[in-house]
Amino acid sequence: AQTVTQSQPEMSVQEAETVTLSCTYDTSENNYYLFWYKQPPSRQMILVIRQEAYKQQNATENRFSVNFQKAAKSFSLKISDSQLGDTAMYFCAFRPLQGAQKLVFGQGTRLTINP
Amino acid sequence: NAGVTQTPKFRVLKTGQSMTLLCAQDMNHEYMYWYRQDPGMGLRLIHYSVGEGTTAKGEVPDGYNVSRLKKQNFLLGLESAAPSQTSVYFCASSYSRLGYTFGSGTRLTVV
Repeated sequence: AQTVTQSQPEMSVQEAETVTLSCTYDTSENNYYLFWYKQPPSRQMILVIRQEAYKQQNATENRFSVNFQKAAKSFSLKISDSQLGDTAMYFCAFRPLQGAQKLVFGQGTRLTINP
Repeated sequence: NAGVTQTPKFRVLKTGQSMTLLCAQDMNHEYMYWYRQDPGMGLRLIHYSVGEGTTAKGEVPDGYNVSRLKKQNFLLGLESAAPSQTSVYFCASSYSRLGYTFGSGTRLTVV
């Protein structure tokens, strides 16, 4: 069974700083997807970024980028020039390439951006 | 607007009562899921469905039942609610690798 671990329950940074959220996972699969989801106080789950394991290039979406280390089974999220609107819970998630497309989530990291 | 709609958004139940949570999607997605979210535990899969008329157990299925009689609807039932089922429940749907679409969640309190 796959597991996802987020070892930072809470983080806090000042506005405009760069912050990195950590995520590690355990799987015996070779092909899979990794995701970062954002959950603001509205409770809505918002996809931040997606990485396909067979792609060596790290995914980037504007201020959000990942550091994907397949051998180390690590998938960290970097937020550059952080903004107050980035305050939210962030979840790392894993999904096998085949099968029922079930997402396995980490425990979450509560990120606070301070003015 | 296309998406996943969950009803109700909030509910308070007494121990032993039953209820059904409704999830409806209008994107013609094959796969649908029910998750529960608890502090410090992320989202955990309760049950899922890979198509109309099919259901399967997830990570934490005990105390819940589901049905998918129509492709667009996925129902989650609690036959006899317990305080341990106090949680936020999310429905999601998926098609291929394009990712998930989540509902806005249902906050359930069992007293």
